[in-house]
Amino acid sequence: DAGITQSPRYKITETGRQVTLMCHQTWSHSYMFWYRQDLGHGLRLIYYSAAADITDKGEVPDGYVVSRSKTENFPLTLESATRSQTSVYFCASSELGGSGELFFGEGSRLTVL
Amino acid sequence: ELKVEQNPLFLSMQEGKNYTIYCNYSTTSDRLYWYRQDPGKSLESLFVLLSNGAVKQEGRLMASLDTKARLSTLHITAAVHDLSATYFCAVRIGGATNKLIFGTGTLLAVQP
Repeated sequence: DAGITQSPRYKITETGRQVTLMCHQTWSHSYMFWYRQDLGHGLRLIYYSAAADITDKGEVPDGYVVSRSKTENFPLTLESATRSQTSVYFCASSELGGSGELFFGEGSRLTVL
Repeated sequence: ELKVEQNPLFLSMQEGKNYTIYCNYSTTSDRLYWYRQDPGKSLESLFVLLSNGAVKQEGRLMASLDTKARLSTLHITAAVHDLSATYFCAVRIGGATNKLIFGTGTLLAVQP
């Protein structure tokens, strides 16, 4: 039972470079989410997706792009990384209906130099 | 704009003591969630509170929800060191979209 996996777990990049964080889930959950975690801010929602080809903005979407061509994958792209995007990124999923509980991946720690 | 506030932000307590973490939110929501996060780890679901007056208990932790007051509490009974972690509450917005807005977290340190 692989659940939800993120890659890479750690990434160092430079300002201006494009970075893609991958998220894969094996539960066939309809909903998928990207959050960033920063000290003092808790977790903030970047983007979410209700199904394949359906995505929408969260609280802090600027500078990020997402896609969801397949139900199981939800990549997050930073088209031109900035230092303010240094953070820990968590992908999560939840099933349609049910309790609305989110299940989180292990996180991807991104450092932008 | 929905705001979810937790207090305290940091809690240092001795083993064996009781304490409560508070989670206030600024707009109507039907569901509230509590998560635990150990340092450098992912978030683990603790409780899902689905209605007004809901109370859930697991071991030394008990969570409750008052939707009229827009308040949830996480009560710790006879704390032990293993409970040291950061605790987050999260409020569901947007109905069935399952979007959760998180509080800033409470860092709990239980001292022997």
